[in-house]
Amino acid sequence: EAQVTQNPRYLITVTGKKLTVTCSQNMNHEYMSWYRQDPGLGLRQIYYSMNVEVTDKGDVPEGYKVSRKEKRNFPLILESPSPNQTSLYFCASSSRPSQPQHFGDGTRLSIL
Amino acid sequence: GENVEQHPSTLSVQEGDSAVIKCTYSDSASNYFPWYKQELGKRPQLIIDIRSNVGEKKDQRIAVTLNKTAKHFSLHITETQPEDSAVYFCAATYGNNRLAFGKGNQVVVIP
Repeated sequence: EAQVTQNPRYLITVTGKKLTVTCSQNMNHEYMSWYRQDPGLGLRQIYYSMNVEVTDKGDVPEGYKVSRKEKRNFPLILESPSPNQTSLYFCASSSRPSQPQHFGDGTRLSIL
Repeated sequence: GENVEQHPSTLSVQEGDSAVIKCTYSDSASNYFPWYKQELGKRPQLIIDIRSNVGEKKDQRIAVTLNKTAKHFSLHITETQPEDSAVYFCAATYGNNRLAFGKGNQVVVIP
């Protein structure tokens, strides 16, 4: 089954404790993105990757890092999480931006 | 960057009536315009998309129209049903590799 898998689905943690949200897709997609969803603000792109070792900033990259060492994986790293990063995060993949995006089920992060 | 705006933010319709959501974009070079539906607690899922060389596309009760001159595109849902209640996001490509989403419209279908 074609899918985008995110882990964990839920996480409550404390300020400053490094965390990683994993994202994996099994569709051989080149393009992968991370979005955060906040009430009233829609989906805002954090980072995206056009292919292995090619990543770039989206609209709200501050406080986040990503890596793309393998085509299927695109982890989101919060080196020193802060409360304003409490949000619902979605990973998405597609063959290119102008093709349908396949979203993961989301990760709800709470930073205390 | 691309600025994508959706109107209205909330739309309530009686079951069986039609719903129309309008989206405007700023980048005249945008060439791909998808619509996503997000049910409560679920992930966004594509329901229909349109490319800049097409003016209208239809899939059963859902249609999308594009006006490139005015830089807006609209989602039309006919014969609305309770399961159409959701948040709908429009999006538009810009640059070579970006996709910008609107803030979303809450559609409520009243039985």
